[in-house]
Amino acid sequence: QKEVEQNSGPLSVPEGAIASLNCTYSDRGSQSFFWYRQYSGKSPELIMFIYSNGDKEDGRFTAQLNKASQYVSLLIRDSQPSDSATYLCAVKGGQAGTALIFGKGTTLSVSS
Amino acid sequence: GAVVSQHPSRVICKSGTSVKIECRSLDFQATTMFWYRQFPKQSLMLMATSNEGSKATYEQGVEKDKFLINHASLTLSTLTVTSAHPEDSSFYICSARPTGQRNNEQFFGPGTRLTVL
Repeated sequence: QKEVEQNSGPLSVPEGAIASLNCTYSDRGSQSFFWYRQYSGKSPELIMFIYSNGDKEDGRFTAQLNKASQYVSLLIRDSQPSDSATYLCAVKGGQAGTALIFGKGTTLSVSS
Repeated sequence: GAVVSQHPSRVICKSGTSVKIECRSLDFQATTMFWYRQFPKQSLMLMATSNEGSKATYEQGVEKDKFLINHASLTLSTLTVTSAHPEDSSFYICSARPTGQRNNEQFFGPGTRLTVL
């Protein structure tokens, strides 16, 4: 059973700062990694996905993957109060191997 | 594009009744859909993978006879919670994976909040 671990937080950063969210996973064979954002009472929204070692940037967001350490992170630059949400890390998995296995999420609070 | 709808968005029912939740991909075809459940302040837990025209693949610990899944077309999957009890109260979320080149992505529905009295 694949497992995904995240620090539940809350992580508090001031507006304009860099927020760093971390995730580790148990299955060394995992290939696909996803970051989702979830506001309270809403369904998750995809921020970005990463397959290859290294960094992937999309606007204010950068995902970093280190397969040797089984570690994936998400950096949010110039954090805004609207970024306050729960951030979910996910890997491909499940009995059929095509679903997403989510971590418990890290709650981010950006103060103005 | 890539919109997924769920119906109903909220349902309250009495213990012992059955509830059907629909998940539709509105502007794409989805060979595969997924059903998740989320309890308050917890993460999404995968319940089952639903494949069009075949039986669903259930995760360990999920009762097949209690959570009936039907994926009769490329745009519709249904989850029926049979003989619902208060412990089944949760936020049920579906996602759909488009067929074709974008099939590494999944798009989530808005969720259905089930309350069993």
